[in-house]
Amino acid sequence: QVQLQESGPGLVKPSQTLSLTCTVSGGSITSGNYYWSWIRQPAGKGLEWIGRIYTSGSTNYNPSLKSRVTISVDTSKNQFSLKLSSVTAADTAVYYCASDTVVAARGKTYYYMDVWGKGTTVTVSS
Amino acid sequence: DIQMTQSPSSLSASVGDRVTITCRASQSISSYLNWYQQKPGKAPKLLIYAASSLQSGVPSRFSGSGSGTDFTLTISSLQPEDFATYYCQQSYSTRTFGPGTKVDIK
Repeated sequence: QVQLQESGPGLVKPSQTLSLTCTVSGGSITSGNYYWSWIRQPAGKGLEWIGRIYTSGSTNYNPSLKSRVTISVDTSKNQFSLKLSSVTAADTAVYYCASDTVVAARGKTYYYMDVWGKGTTVTVSS
Repeated sequence: DIQMTQSPSSLSASVGDRVTITCRASQSISSYLNWYQQKPGKAPKLLIYAASSLQSGVPSRFSGSGSGTDFTLTISSLQPEDFATYYCQQSYSTRTFGPGTKVDIK
């Protein structure tokens, strides 16, 4: 069973770039049935999808964050990463990585996030 | 962007109750709808995908239905471990989550 673990600084200064890495264990990041996603959740609030990447390098981003987000993949390390630039206090949140599984059912292709990391808290403060 | 709404935003229920949570999409998303359960301090857990398919290992008291714009998550007999917040999420286009429904003890 694939497991995910987020890592990175817990404190980032305003205007700087937030950088997080998600390490995939128990399976290969290059498995064809997965995209790899980032999601965040401010304290006491709901979930916000940030974006995802396929191992080919193809990405999809939340339009509201697209200008500041870069997601990349390092297949040699079995990792994918998130960079969020020009952060403000509004970017303070728990950040999760997740596998976005692809499955064929009832003649359609479905996606769902079935494996999640435990989450890492990032605070933006000077 | 596709906007997701959920109702109610919170509810109080007793063990053994039948609980129904509704999710609505701002446009048709066919059956591209997933449901997650989240407990405090924990990552979300997938319950239902493709609107009505039960994720492996999830108790059969959970069920999902709907297509197009209107969807329902039903817990047939609420158990103590089911008190949590539930989110719907569309996978038709750029992913969006509903605002959540908190289920607490009556």
